Amino acid sequence: SQQGEEDPQALSIQEGENATMNCSYKTSINNLQWYRQNSGRGLVHLILIRSNEREKHSGRLRVTLDTSKKSSSLLITASRAADTASYFCATIIQGAQKLVFGQGTRLTINP
Amino acid sequence: DAGVIQSPRHEVTEMGQEVTLRCKPISGHDYLFWYRQTMMRGLELLIYFNNNVPIDDSGMPEDRFSAKMPNASFSTLKIQPSEPRDSAVYFCASSAHYEKLFFGSGTQLSVL
Repeated sequence: SQQGEEDPQALSIQEGENATMNCSYKTSINNLQWYRQNSGRGLVHLILIRSNEREKHSGRLRVTLDTSKKSSSLLITASRAADTASYFCATIIQGAQKLVFGQGTRLTINP
Repeated sequence: DAGVIQSPRHEVTEMGQEVTLRCKPISGHDYLFWYRQTMMRGLELLIYFNNNVPIDDSGMPEDRFSAKMPNASFSTLKIQPSEPRDSAVYFCASSAHYEKLFFGSGTQLSVL
């Protein structure tokens, strides 16, 4: 069964706008990660946030984590056409050493 | 570094045939993961290795699937016999400490 669930499943915005994707998970985690997958390619790691962190930034990416609500959000600011991809959250459950992925959000940036 | 290398990139086979997927992890990484991706089920972890030893194979669908890692630079995922429902993209990923994963480009498997 999937640990994480992304919302929305699909998102279409205009270039330059901000894109926000959400992830909810079920059990206690060590960390939460976000990955990007371009069509026909493997996944690429974007950012990792640990369970004792609340917010993290990397370039145009901002990730928040609310462990009380078991949820995370990924914000991409000033979106570009090259950001068109699927975005997945992934969690490492406490006590395990394996990464479990959600179903992903398909993001389309319209020029 | 060339990254994680998977072969073949595409595989088309007939039901009942044996299929072998190959993976070369990034040098120095001691974790290796095999995932399967389908539209219906998303990304599923099949098995992972630490220092060439299988740690968790609970995601392997059934006995038709087997995986080996004879050394730190090579792993195989074998399906015998293959069935149409095995059609998917199979990814190999490696990691230095089971957290941040580096994925290969995947093998697109079609079983007719």
